[in-house]
Amino acid sequence: NAGVTQTPKFRILKIGQSMTLQCAQDMNHNYMYWYRQDPGMGLKLIYYSVGAGITDKGEVPNGYNVSRSTTEDFPLRLELAAPSQTSVYFCASSYNPRGYTFGSGTRLTVV
Amino acid sequence: DAKTTQPNSMESNEEEPVHLPCNHSTISGTDYIHWYRQLPSQGPEYVIHGLTSNVNNRMASLAIAEDRKSSTLILHRATLRDAAVYYCILYSGGGADGLTFGKGTHLIIQP
Repeated sequence: NAGVTQTPKFRILKIGQSMTLQCAQDMNHNYMYWYRQDPGMGLKLIYYSVGAGITDKGEVPNGYNVSRSTTEDFPLRLELAAPSQTSVYFCASSYNPRGYTFGSGTRLTVV
Repeated sequence: DAKTTQPNSMESNEEEPVHLPCNHSTISGTDYIHWYRQLPSQGPEYVIHGLTSNVNNRMASLAIAEDRKSSTLILHRATLRDAAVYYCILYSGGGADGLTFGKGTHLIIQP
């Protein structure tokens, strides 16, 4: 099993550009999460989903959007990139809201 | 979820046991104690969790105080690969938004 796969691993965006961070899991997990991690800090929850078609905001949702059309995929959309969105983004999935499997992360720089 | 307090960093020697403390004086009766760790440039990974009794698995042991206001993650024989940030997290399972990650303890292993 691949687990949780995130693409791309690295990306540099210009201010105002848009992009989608991809996240896919092959474990048939209902729960999926997007976190961001700034240098030296813990992870902050952006959005989460409890199943296909159901999403909800986390602690820091501003500037982001998500969708969950299938159980496997949970893409994160940045519409107008800002320097404050420079961070490492982690996607995670779980069978219940406890035992997470994380992806390897996407390192995003906005210049 | 209740808050946890961990030291910012700890240092230990290779092949020696490591005891990582966590204080959670406001823990509720339904809160499980979870530990995750994050190796450099990777997403967090699950280590262990428990409710009241001490727990052991192939990665570590979790010792929980009788009053549950503190716990200790024990790595029985540290290796250089155990150098990571270790997160102690309380979660009762009541909300789908899952785990809240603090700053954790940065464990340094000296050869």
